[in-house]
Amino acid sequence: DSGVTQTPKHLITATGQRVTLRCSPRSGDLSVYWYQQSLDQGLQFLIQYYNGEERAKGNILERFSAQQFPDLHSELNLSSLELGDSALYFCASSNRRNSWNYGYTFGSGTRLTVV
Amino acid sequence: AQRVTQPEKLLSVFKGAPVELKCNYSYSGSPELFWYVQYSRQRLQLLLRHISRESIKGFTADLNKGETSFHLKKPFAQEEDSAMYYCALDTDTDKLIFGTGTRLQVFP
Repeated sequence: DSGVTQTPKHLITATGQRVTLRCSPRSGDLSVYWYQQSLDQGLQFLIQYYNGEERAKGNILERFSAQQFPDLHSELNLSSLELGDSALYFCASSNRRNSWNYGYTFGSGTRLTVV
Repeated sequence: AQRVTQPEKLLSVFKGAPVELKCNYSYSGSPELFWYVQYSRQRLQLLLRHISRESIKGFTADLNKGETSFHLKKPFAQEEDSAMYYCALDTDTDKLIFGTGTRLQVFP
């Protein structure tokens, strides 16, 4: 167990629907990152939160949003889903003071299938 | 611009052959570079970090600032090395930038 927990592991939903993916970071980590991994696009950075605040944004669609709560868990909300949103969504966490030495710790991902 | 380039999508070798997975980066500051490995669509796992100059599972990687490269090498590939390998750049903006990945296939 890496310490980063993602739920659910699998999600199947229809186009136009809205889903929420959840991530609990490793204990002590203040930063949470969301990545999308699809077959044709590789690993794409979506967004980062640090101690509840948005820190960096990547290639995140306007239909997607995220937040980090006071207990440091994070949720990624995907709305008006399209077939092309089908992908593996990874969450990672880090403690910035140690990330240079330990890197980021990834969760096992949520596999989203939009039908 | 901050960028990580892995020019090879697929690298196929036979067991016992040497392996070199290429990674080049573009970053004006002082880079922190990592190699991550992903087995069969599982979670990404940290394999190597340049700052530690270590060898993990027989893999090594040397940062060459002159060539802006951080190639991953192993002298004798094993079948269990078959996986997806990602090179990543950690910048001072606290954002990990990944390359597109190289799939390593090691045949028996």
